Amino acid sequence: QKEVEQDPGPLSVPEGAIVSLNCTYSNSAFQYFMWYRQYSRKGPELLMYTYSSGNKEDGRFTAQVDKSSKYISLFIRDSQPSDSATYLCAMSGQAGTALIFGKGTTLSVSS
Amino acid sequence: EAGVTQFPSHSVIEKGQTVTLRCDPISGHDNLYWYRRVMGKEIKFLLHFVKESKQDESGMPNNRFLAERTGGTYSTLKVQPAELEDSGVYFCASSLVGAKAEAFFGQGTRLTVV
Repeated sequence: QKEVEQDPGPLSVPEGAIVSLNCTYSNSAFQYFMWYRQYSRKGPELLMYTYSSGNKEDGRFTAQVDKSSKYISLFIRDSQPSDSATYLCAMSGQAGTALIFGKGTTLSVSS
Repeated sequence: EAGVTQFPSHSVIEKGQTVTLRCDPISGHDNLYWYRRVMGKEIKFLLHFVKESKQDESGMPNNRFLAERTGGTYSTLKVQPAELEDSGVYFCASSLVGAKAEAFFGQGTRLTVV
């Protein structure tokens, strides 16, 4: 079993839709959870950084962490064509230590 | 403020040759990481520096890979001799030390070994 599981998609939605991206993990020691966005031929860009359980909102993006279920989510409201990218979840046990990544979900938002 | 910068952006070398990748972290970031993504796989951790010291090198695949960070500034990752399976995208990331250790990534170096 992989430490972090992420459905690779692809996921296709119309402009304006609400998008839900998810990851599950097996290591209960993970405490720091991140979502990265990666455009083709670019490096991962940090979107959200959360510690432990709970929600965090930043503009159209909301990150949720449910440690009891070992499940994290990223919601994108009012999705735009510019949101079309690969979304990667990543996590670690302690601040500043190695990140464990999911494989990434490819999202396509059509206008 | 400049982000994490990697050189070169793309390298094509023959099997058996040597390649050196360079990473310039964000100024003031003592944490520096190397990651690699091979085709079809997830991004995987290679190595972590705190300043000039190797904090964790558990992800280095074998002794053909040598990472250095002299003076605690930029870092190099040398592959010698390169093998076909070393092909992939090598990412560098940096972060502050402490609880606010958000890692920022460079654009990556795409290495192709032929």
